[in-house]
Amino acid sequence: GAVVSQHPSRVICKSGTSVKIECRSLDFQATTMFWYRQFPKQSLMLMATSNEGSKATYEQGVEKDKFLINHASLTLSTLTVTSAHPEDSSFYICSARSQGTGANVLTFGAGSRLTVL
Amino acid sequence: SQKIEQNSEALNIQEGKTATLTCNYTNYSPAYLQWYRQDPGRGPVFLLLIRENEKEKRKERLKVTFDTTLKQSLFHITASQPADSATYLCALDRSGGSYIPTFGRGTSLIVHP
Repeated sequence: GAVVSQHPSRVICKSGTSVKIECRSLDFQATTMFWYRQFPKQSLMLMATSNEGSKATYEQGVEKDKFLINHASLTLSTLTVTSAHPEDSSFYICSARSQGTGANVLTFGAGSRLTVL
Repeated sequence: SQKIEQNSEALNIQEGKTATLTCNYTNYSPAYLQWYRQDPGRGPVFLLLIRENEKEKRKERLKVTFDTTLKQSLFHITASQPADSATYLCALDRSGGSYIPTFGRGTSLIVHP
C-alpha cells in the first residue's frame, strides 16, 4: 500500500531559527500533498496544499512567508517553519492522496513534533 | 458555517462490546464521508469511506452508516479489543468542489480488558 515518510519525527529548536520537515511518498507519485497542523486534542487543521512544480495554496490565516512549502518533485514536499517561535510548537503532519480510490482518501506521514524553546 | 461534530468525551467500553461513535455535520453536502484512526503521536490511518448514495459499509469488525437526511454517520466496532483504543476521526470533503477532507476533532475510544 501507499506509504508516506515524514522526517524528522521530533525536533527541538531555539526561537528564531528555521526548521525543515520533509515528506516523501515512497512507492507512488504524489502531485499533490497536504500539510496539516494539530494541537493537543484538536482536529487536524489544513495549512496548505502543496502542488508539484507550482506554488502551494495556503489556507486563510496561514502565513505563507512563515510556512514555506516546496514541492520540487513528484515524491517530495518540504515545509520550512521560518524564524520559529514558541507559538509555532505543534504537531505537523503531511499527507498525500492515495492512489486508485477515486476519492480523496489520504495517506498520512507519522507526523513531526516541533518544540520551539 | 460548516461544522463537523464528534463527541469530545472519551468513550469507555468493556472488551467484547460494540463501540459506537457519532459524527454529525452541518452546512455540508458531502459526496462522501471517511473515518480514520489516530494513535497518540502518530498520523491518522484511513479506515473506511462511504459515499452519499450508500447507507452502510462494512469492513471486518467495522461498520459505518451514513444518513444524509440526519446529517450523521455512525461508526461501529464490534467485538472491541483493547488494541482498538485510539482516537477516531471523521472527515468530509469540503464544500465547493475542492474535495479536500476536513476533519472533526475526533473521539477517543478506550477499550478496557
